[in-house]
Amino acid sequence: AQTVTQSQPEMSVQEAETVTLSCTYDTSESDYYLFWYKQPPSRQMILVIRQEAYKQQNATENRFSVNFQKAAKSFSLKISDSQLGDAAMYFCAYQGKGSGNTGKLIFGQGTTLQVKP
Amino acid sequence: EAGVVQSPRYKIIEKKQPVAFWCNPISGHNTLYWYRQNLGQGPELLIRYENEEAVDDSQLPKDRFSAERLKGVDSTLKIQPAELGDSAVYLCSSSSFQTYEQYFGPGTRLTVT
Repeated sequence: AQTVTQSQPEMSVQEAETVTLSCTYDTSESDYYLFWYKQPPSRQMILVIRQEAYKQQNATENRFSVNFQKAAKSFSLKISDSQLGDAAMYFCAYQGKGSGNTGKLIFGQGTTLQVKP
Repeated sequence: EAGVVQSPRYKIIEKKQPVAFWCNPISGHNTLYWYRQNLGQGPELLIRYENEEAVDDSQLPKDRFSAERLKGVDSTLKIQPAELGDSAVYLCSSSSFQTYEQYFGPGTRLTVT
């Protein structure tokens, strides 16, 4: 069974600085998707960035980028120029693409990010 | 384009009472998911629908939970009777055949006293 692990329960960053959130996963599949979701106190789960496992190039979305290390099964999120609005809980999630997968997302435990002014 | 709609946003009930949650997915999205999120944890899948068919309900506690998606559009998740351990946020998401991305609703926070 696939698992996702986020080893940092809490992180903090100074406004305008850069922070990296860690995520590791375990799977025997060769092709899959990885996501980072943001969940503010309003509870709305918002997709931040996505990565397809067969793509070598790391995904980037404005101030958000990932470091995808497939062999190491690592998928970290870097937030540059942190803003107060980035404060939220961040979840790493895995989605298999094989025929036996149902499309469900497997989430990590989450990392609470605090942004200090 | 309207997002995933869920109601109610909050619900407080006493144990042993029934409760129901409603979800309306994004228009055109044929796949609908229900997740449960316990405090301080990531969401876990309860059930997945392809149109009106439940294709993965392996994690749904069938003794007290039920779900339906009549006509393959909106869906209802029911708990009867509720237990203290059912206190959680219930999230609904949807996706289309053409994409793999799931879009989430705001969730329903259930408190069982």
